[in-house]
Amino acid sequence: GAGVSQSPSNKVTEKGKDVELRCDPISGHTALYWYRQSLGQGLEFLIYFQGNSAPDKSGLPSDRFSAERTGGSVSTLTIQRTQQEDSAVYLCASSLGGRIYEQYFGPGTRLTVT
Amino acid sequence: TQLLEQSPQFLSIQEGENLTVYCNSSSVFSSLQWYRQEPGEGPVLLVTVVTGGEVKKLKRLTFQFGDARKDSSLHITAAQTGDTGLYLCAGVASGTYKYIFGTGTRLKVLA
Repeated sequence: GAGVSQSPSNKVTEKGKDVELRCDPISGHTALYWYRQSLGQGLEFLIYFQGNSAPDKSGLPSDRFSAERTGGSVSTLTIQRTQQEDSAVYLCASSLGGRIYEQYFGPGTRLTVT
Repeated sequence: TQLLEQSPQFLSIQEGENLTVYCNSSSVFSSLQWYRQEPGEGPVLLVTVVTGGEVKKLKRLTFQFGDARKDSSLHITAAQTGDTGLYLCAGVASGTYKYIFGTGTRLKVLA
């Protein structure tokens, strides 16, 4: 079956522009996570969706970042007025939900802000 | 703030050698996972441990969860060049569904 997919795979944008990153989770997975990874380091949690519950947005670094998940499936991470420090790989993961279920990651979107 | 510190940060060894990677925290985790990530790809889950003192083996890889569920180790026996990659531990924060990722250990196995 299909894994987690993300698009675009690479995005280069000018400082100040808005960007949208998309994540298609594995069908049937109720939990969806967004992470940010800089220069091959550890992952920084951004936001978590679980079913129809209110998302956990505690990891979003500023109000320029927002995310939504439509119909419990596809998710979009939006970064407004991008800054150079937003340059990173943005990873999406989905799982069946719960604290001990495996997360399956997409290949990520590499964002470069010039 | 719950943090997971991994050591060493970088490791370069010869094929056939053994190695251990450590993942430490002052916080208790409900479960802990280990991932391996290769360039241009997302992390791939290797193992999940949930019980204090638990030991799991995956071929040449041995994972241990500390008795107090605050730390974990990954031991690789007779490393191979295919083991090269970034190893990440991740713990589920107590009372939440949020995964806290470690700082990562970049392993390079030389032929």
